[in-house]
Amino acid sequence: NAGVTQTPKFQVLKTGQSMTLQCAQDMNHEYMSWYRQDPGMGLRLIHYSVGAGITDQGEVPNGYNVSRSTTEDFPLRLLSAAPSQTSVYFCASRGPGVWETQYFGPGTRLLVL
Amino acid sequence: GQQVMQIPQYQHVQEGEDFTTYCNSSTTLSNIQWYKQRPGGHPVFLIQLVKSGEVKKQKRLTFQFGEAKKNSSLHITATQTTDVGTYFCAVVNFGNEKLTFGTGTRLTIIP
Repeated sequence: NAGVTQTPKFQVLKTGQSMTLQCAQDMNHEYMSWYRQDPGMGLRLIHYSVGAGITDQGEVPNGYNVSRSTTEDFPLRLLSAAPSQTSVYFCASRGPGVWETQYFGPGTRLLVL
Repeated sequence: GQQVMQIPQYQHVQEGEDFTTYCNSSTTLSNIQWYKQRPGGHPVFLIQLVKSGEVKKQKRLTFQFGEAKKNSSLHITATQTTDVGTYFCAVVNFGNEKLTFGTGTRLTIIP
């Protein structure tokens, strides 16, 4: 199993550009989520999904869109990038129970100029 | 939602010394999870505690959940260079299944 994969690893954007961060998992996990990590802020939840077709907002959803058309994929879209969105983005997944281990992808480092 | 405060933010220790990080909440927690993130890496799950007063050990790591379920600690005995990284606590909200992370403690080892 590859686990949770994320692409790209690094990205530089100009203010106003759009892009999609890809996330995929091959563990048949229903629950997937996106976090951003900034220095001194820990990991903050952006959006999450409890299954295909179901998404909900986390702590910091503004400026980000998500969709979940399949169990495997959970892309994160930035419609109009802003410098405040410079961060490291992690995708995570886990099984159906809230007790289950959460697995993180390797992350995408995004710089918005 | 549930909030957790983690202290200290940074800790520098000599190799071989012990290290402890604390996670505190003003409300009773249903559970607490601990993660480790190596520099440049991603968070990796270490353990979950759910019972009042629970203590679990993983080799040199000891995890504790307070009796009132409002605090938790991670203690590392005789630190090694492989222990370098940031340690996060996190709590699951059973109502909406959201996982909320503490701000983390960054451990640096002085050889």
